[in-house]
Amino acid sequence: EVQLLESGGGLVQPGGSLRLSCAASGFTFSSYGMSWVRQAPGKGLEWVSAISVDGHDTYYADSVKGRFTISRDNSRNTLYLQMNGLRADDTALYYCAKNRESYPSGPNDYWGQGTLVTVSS
Amino acid sequence: EIVLTQSPATLSLSPGERATLSCRASQSVSSYLAWYQQKPGQAPRLLTYDASNRATGFPARFSGSGSGTDFTLTISSLEPEDFAVYYCQQRNNWPLTFGGGTKVEIK
Repeated sequence: EVQLLESGGGLVQPGGSLRLSCAASGFTFSSYGMSWVRQAPGKGLEWVSAISVDGHDTYYADSVKGRFTISRDNSRNTLYLQMNGLRADDTALYYCAKNRESYPSGPNDYWGQGTLVTVSS
Repeated sequence: EIVLTQSPATLSLSPGERATLSCRASQSVSSYLAWYQQKPGQAPRLLTYDASNRATGFPARFSGSGSGTDFTLTISSLEPEDFAVYYCQQRNNWPLTFGGGTKVEIK
């Protein structure tokens, strides 16, 4: 059974940093692209970032480029999202999602339950 | 960035009725469009991908169609469990983008 378990969310002040983690199990992690998608309270889905199977190719939404960094550790079956320079509009539930294919742009066939990030003073 | 416009924003229908949801792209996304279903308090679920391929676990009453800039998700006969929010997503160009969603509610 595919499982994705996010952690690392919490309350942070504007300008602060957080690192989100996503522990994956139930599939060959190193064979699939992975993504982060967020959802602000009461709002729609926003794609945030994606990464290739080997971690060499990374992609970002314009809203987070230069502030967020996606990475993965295939030996630990874990996906990360380092978030710096956090702003109030980064407040959201952050989902980790497995791509259906090896490509970083693949549709997301499994999702975690999300970890909540709140940016507020 | 490719903008996806979903319409209508809300669709009020009764069980057994047919639902037709639209997703229009600001430029061609070829057939690289997916639909997701999200229920309150739950993560999204992949419903269809590459325009017309149904994902695992969804019945045949769900069907996706279209190519280029115009796409449709059809639910042939609504069941009570189908009332949810539906999002489209394109993966033809970076950055990937989602539409704003269509809420299918019980009339």
